[in-house]
Amino acid sequence: AQKITQTQPGMFVQEKEAVTLDCTYDTSDPSYGLFWYKQPSSGEMIFLIYQGSYDQQNATEGRYSLNFQKARKSANLVISASQLGDSAMYFCAMRESYGSGNTGKLIFGQGTTLQVKP
Amino acid sequence: EPEVTQTPSHQVTQMGQEVILRCVPISNHLYFYWYRQILGQKVEFLVSFYNNEISEKSEIFDDQFSVERPDGSNFTLKIRSTKLEDSAMYFCASMLEDRDTEAFFGQGTRLTVV
Repeated sequence: AQKITQTQPGMFVQEKEAVTLDCTYDTSDPSYGLFWYKQPSSGEMIFLIYQGSYDQQNATEGRYSLNFQKARKSANLVISASQLGDSAMYFCAMRESYGSGNTGKLIFGQGTTLQVKP
Repeated sequence: EPEVTQTPSHQVTQMGQEVILRCVPISNHLYFYWYRQILGQKVEFLVSFYNNEISEKSEIFDDQFSVERPDGSNFTLKIRSTKLEDSAMYFCASMLEDRDTEAFFGQGTRLTVV
């Protein structure tokens, strides 16, 4: 069964520094997608970045990049030049593989709370 | 920019009462989902919906829950007889395709059962 693990319950980073949030996953299927979402204190889920299992290059979106290491089954989120507004909960998620009965649902990790210090 | 809209943003209900949470997915999307997040915990899948029927449901989605898309735009989650443990944030999500590179989430409905 697919599983997502985020081992860092909480992280601190100084403003303007880079931070890496860890995510490992477990799946036996060759085709899957990996997502990162940001959840501020207001509660909404904000999509940040996506990586497909067959993508050759690491995904990047502005200050967000995904360090995808397929052999290690890790998909760490790197936030460069942290801002105070980056303080939030961050979730890694995996879309399950496709086949009979699979419907594209997301499986989420436990989340990491990031606090950016001024 | 298209967005998924959920109403209400917050609902307080008495234990045992029925609640209906509403979602308006992005108009051309075909795949719809409900997720639940108990306070401080991870987001859990409840149900997926495609072609006007449930395509998958989790063990959380028992007989107290139902979903429907009554008019081709709204997508609703009904909880027939709420329990205290149903208190959570409920998220609706939609995708154009099941292999879409982004699942669009609504802003959530915070349900409080008292």
